[in-house]
Amino acid sequence: GENVEQHPSTLSVQEGDSAVIKCTYSDSASNYFPWYKQELGKRPQLIIDIRSNVGEKKDQRIAVTLNKTAKHFSLHITETQPEDSAVYFCAAGGGNKLTFGTGTQLKVEL
Amino acid sequence: KAGVTQTPRYLIKTRGQQVTLSCSPISGHRSVSWYQQTPGQGLQFLFEYFSETQRNKGNFPGRFSGRQFSNSRSEMNVSTLELGDSALYLCASSNSAIQETQYFGPGTRLLVL
Repeated sequence: GENVEQHPSTLSVQEGDSAVIKCTYSDSASNYFPWYKQELGKRPQLIIDIRSNVGEKKDQRIAVTLNKTAKHFSLHITETQPEDSAVYFCAAGGGNKLTFGTGTQLKVEL
Repeated sequence: KAGVTQTPRYLIKTRGQQVTLSCSPISGHRSVSWYQQTPGQGLQFLFEYFSETQRNKGNFPGRFSGRQFSNSRSEMNVSTLELGDSALYLCASSNSAIQETQYFGPGTRLLVL
């Protein structure tokens, strides 16, 4: 089955800096790669997703890149703000079955 | 549209009991997936239903089962509860049989004593 590894597990940045979270996956059949943000006590919320026929996608301060050959994808957050502090999960899958990474606790310090 | 809803939100059970959790997807969504979230194992896929049929299943024992009704509402059942079943159970709905955006419900927090 699919295996997703996510790094780092914790990330601390200064407000205004960029944050990068990286994930690798094992199953070449995976064709959908979403990123979710989960604040304490709340549900995971989709922040951006990318499909295997696209190499990069951007939405304001958030971007995701996908390298199918190397089987890795990354989340980039620019101009970080305190409200970006949360746990971020990457996932890989297809057919409505997602395998999640172990999460990255992002802390944006003032 | 209303979001994904789950009931109950909190539940306390004792070992050996069984529990049924409910999920109502976003109106028009026909796919419902269930996930277990724990601090140690993270988010793990349980199963997915589309049009009342289980299409995918994760690596959980047979004590975990589910079903979906004709109105797309889904239930999951856990029999013979174990302490390790304590977790946040999340459901997510999607409007497609192929991979589309999954929207999560608020979850049911189950504590097994």
